[in-house]
Amino acid sequence: DAGVIQSPRHEVTEMGQEVTLRCKPISGHDYLFWYRQTMMRGLELLIYFNNNVPIDDSGMPEDRFSAKMPNASFSTLKIQPSEPRDSAVYFCASSLAGGPLDEQFFGPGTRLTVL
Amino acid sequence: DAKTTQPTSMDCAEGRAANLPCNHSTISGNEYVYWYRQIHSQGPQYIIHGLKNNETNEMASLIITEDRKSSTLILPHATLRDTAVYYCIVRVSNSGYALNFGKGTSLLVTP
Repeated sequence: DAGVIQSPRHEVTEMGQEVTLRCKPISGHDYLFWYRQTMMRGLELLIYFNNNVPIDDSGMPEDRFSAKMPNASFSTLKIQPSEPRDSAVYFCASSLAGGPLDEQFFGPGTRLTVL
Repeated sequence: DAKTTQPTSMDCAEGRAANLPCNHSTISGNEYVYWYRQIHSQGPQYIIHGLKNNETNEMASLIITEDRKSSTLILPHATLRDTAVYYCIVRVSNSGYALNFGKGTSLLVTP
């Protein structure tokens, strides 16, 4: 398996533009997590899904952020409109319920810069 | 989830054992100790986890005190590639729970 795949790896956009980050979890995993990492706040959970259903979105900063998981192999995180304070690295992770290690597998991240 | 306390940074000479401590004095009986690490510009990576017994795998060993209020991650022969931020996380063992990353310990392995 190729692991968790995220695209794009880097995104530079201007304030006010819409940004869409994409994630393909490991095949067969039933949990998907979106995290954000900044120098000030470290790694923080934004939202997670179980079997494509959002379970906890309490970490989503505001209505400008939305996430979807239309099927088991794809998820998006959208920011509209984007602001400079959204600049961060966004990680997607997936895991398998009942897996022997209870391990979350992380993607390489998307580095977002909002000018 | 129980809060953890880790030193901000540590140094270790290449080839020596790196011992990374973690305090979790408010851990509950059903909470496990997890360790992840994040190498620069990469996503976090699982290392090991345990409940109360010491654990060992190909990457590291985890030593948990008898009262479970603290633990130590041991990298037996540190290499330059082990330079990373190491996170100690305490939570229930269930894939449905997110990881609550703190500040972690920045480990620098020197030649």
